[in-house]
Amino acid sequence: EDQVTQSPEALRLQEGESSSLNCSYTVSGLRGLFWYRQDPGKGPEFLFTLYSAGEEKEKERLKATLTKKESFLHITAPKPEDSATYLCAWGGATNKLIFGTGTLLAVQP
Amino acid sequence: DAGVTQSPTHLIKTRGQHVTLRCSPISGHKSVSWYQQVLGQGPQFIFQYYEKEERGRGNFPDRFSARQFPNYSSELNVNALLLGDSALYLCASSLAPGDSFPYEQYFGPGTRLTVT
Repeated sequence: EDQVTQSPEALRLQEGESSSLNCSYTVSGLRGLFWYRQDPGKGPEFLFTLYSAGEEKEKERLKATLTKKESFLHITAPKPEDSATYLCAWGGATNKLIFGTGTLLAVQP
Repeated sequence: DAGVTQSPTHLIKTRGQHVTLRCSPISGHKSVSWYQQVLGQGPQFIFQYYEKEERGRGNFPDRFSARQFPNYSSELNVNALLLGDSALYLCASSLAPGDSFPYEQYFGPGTRLTVT
């Protein structure tokens, strides 16, 4: 069965404490791996797309990396405003995205 | 530039009723996709439309239907509402349908549907 799994389900960090979120997929035929940020009650906000193993992208305190079977979202020196749910999604040869259940990140001051 | 817009923001319906949700994509985007997100889960793909044609359908019953208009806006219709249809309905727009690789998709704020 096509599946995207994110870990951990929840993560609590102190401000400035760096960490990584994991996204693994058992779906074949990856064409794109997407990361989104979602605040409570709002739609997902696009962060990154990675298209090939070894690719890395950065935005402020976030860096996304991709291997053949998983992706990582590294958060460096997080701030309380980084608190949100982070979603990853697998994309094949169409625009249909298969999402994981997300990692709920809480950054305490 | 305006992002993806959706209406209404919130909606309360009774079991058995019908609902229509609306979406306007980002200017210049021609593909619209619909997703359902229940609390605590990731969004689940319902439909994709491009140039008024259905390009993809997720594992949802026939009670769910959609269409796209010449101006690329879209409607999602759900008939015979069930309690389990309560969710956040998200619309996403992208430049093109992604025939060989997926395009970046930008989501709207969603419509919160509650079925009582």
